[in-house]
Amino acid sequence: NAGVTQTPKFQVLKTGQSMTLQCAQDMNHNSMYWYRQDPGMGLRLIYYSASEGTTDKGEVPNGYNVSRLNKREFSLRLESAAPSQTSVYFCASWTGNEQYFGPGTRLTVT
Amino acid sequence: GEDVEQSLFLSVREGDSSVINCTYTDSSSTYLYWYKQEPGAGLQLLTYIFSNMDMKQDQRLTVLLNKKDKHLSLRIADTQTGDSAIYFCSGGGADGLTFGKGTHLIIQP
Repeated sequence: NAGVTQTPKFQVLKTGQSMTLQCAQDMNHNSMYWYRQDPGMGLRLIYYSASEGTTDKGEVPNGYNVSRLNKREFSLRLESAAPSQTSVYFCASWTGNEQYFGPGTRLTVT
Repeated sequence: GEDVEQSLFLSVREGDSSVINCTYTDSSSTYLYWYKQEPGAGLQLLTYIFSNMDMKQDQRLTVLLNKKDKHLSLRIADTQTGDSAIYFCSGGGADGLTFGKGTHLIIQP
């Protein structure tokens, strides 16, 4: 039981490049989430998915798209990366009364 | 949406109790949480409390919830050097969590 896994762990992009952050959970949870954490800040919700095939915007969705590929996987895509998207990205899933977080992806956009 | 406020720093002596405070605005949060984050690491759930509870104790951790004042606190008894981290208060439920900016807990020998 690996919990919530995220790939890659680190990534450097140039402005305008695109990439997809991957997240998977093996706990059979319905709801999954993407957050970003900027220095000196708490986490902010980007998007979430209550079930396979559904997604909803969070607090800071601009510049991102998501796909809930199946129950296990929830991906976050940056179509045209900007320096303001430099952050640490955390994926999480909902156990029914708590959110279980992955280890994070540290993204730098130059 | 929810706003969550925390003081940024707390310094305590090793062996003393630490009390980290948090205020929140949205009384509809189903759960209130305390997470711990060590440098360069992810978030570790320490404890949580249902919004209809007043207190929860778990070994060295005590959570107090004052619903009237929308105030949440985390007390860590016998604070150790391993408790040095950033502590985040958060609230919400299945549709996502709102986090405070975190309290840096500094342990003095």
